[in-house]
Amino acid sequence: EAQVTQNPRYLITVTGKKLTVTCSQNMNHEYMSWYRQDPGLGLRQIYYSMNVEVTDKGDVPEGYKVSRKEKRNFPLILESPSPNQTSLYFCASSLRQGGETQYFGPGTRLLVL
Amino acid sequence: GENVEQHPSTLSVQEGDSAVIKCTYSDSASNYFPWYKQELGKGPQLIIDIRSNVGEKKDQRIAVTLNKTAKHFSLHITETQPEDSAVYFCAASIRWTNTGNQFYFGTGTSLTVIP
Repeated sequence: EAQVTQNPRYLITVTGKKLTVTCSQNMNHEYMSWYRQDPGLGLRQIYYSMNVEVTDKGDVPEGYKVSRKEKRNFPLILESPSPNQTSLYFCASSLRQGGETQYFGPGTRLLVL
Repeated sequence: GENVEQHPSTLSVQEGDSAVIKCTYSDSASNYFPWYKQELGKGPQLIIDIRSNVGEKKDQRIAVTLNKTAKHFSLHITETQPEDSAVYFCAASIRWTNTGNQFYFGTGTSLTVIP
């Protein structure tokens, strides 16, 4: 089944403890992206990647890192999480450069205490 | 950077009526405008999109219009059904030559279709 998977789906952590949220797609898509969703703010793009080793900042990149070493994987790294990073995170992928259908993962709900 | 505004934030319609959601954007470089539907507990799902060289696009009960001069685009849902109840997001995208598309989303519209 063609899909975007994220792990973990739920995570409770404490301030300053490094964490990684994984994202993987099995559709051979070139474009991948991370978003956070907060009430009243909609979706905001954190980072995106057009292809392996090509990444760029979205609208809210502060406090996050990404890497794209393989086409199928695009992990989101929080080196020192803070409470304001408590949010619902979505990974998405699309076939080429992003200007076509984006397929979203099921989301990761993160709580930073 | 780009700023996308979406209205209304909530919308209730009777089953069978039409629903219209409006968005404006600020950056004339935006050239791709998708609309997403998000059901409770799920990720957003694309329902229709339009590119800057097209003024209108229709897919069965759903249509999108784009006015580049005024920098606004709208989603039209006709003959609404209870299963149309969800949160709808508009987005505007700028394509950067070397890095791909950057997306800016509206704040969402919660649509309720009353049977």
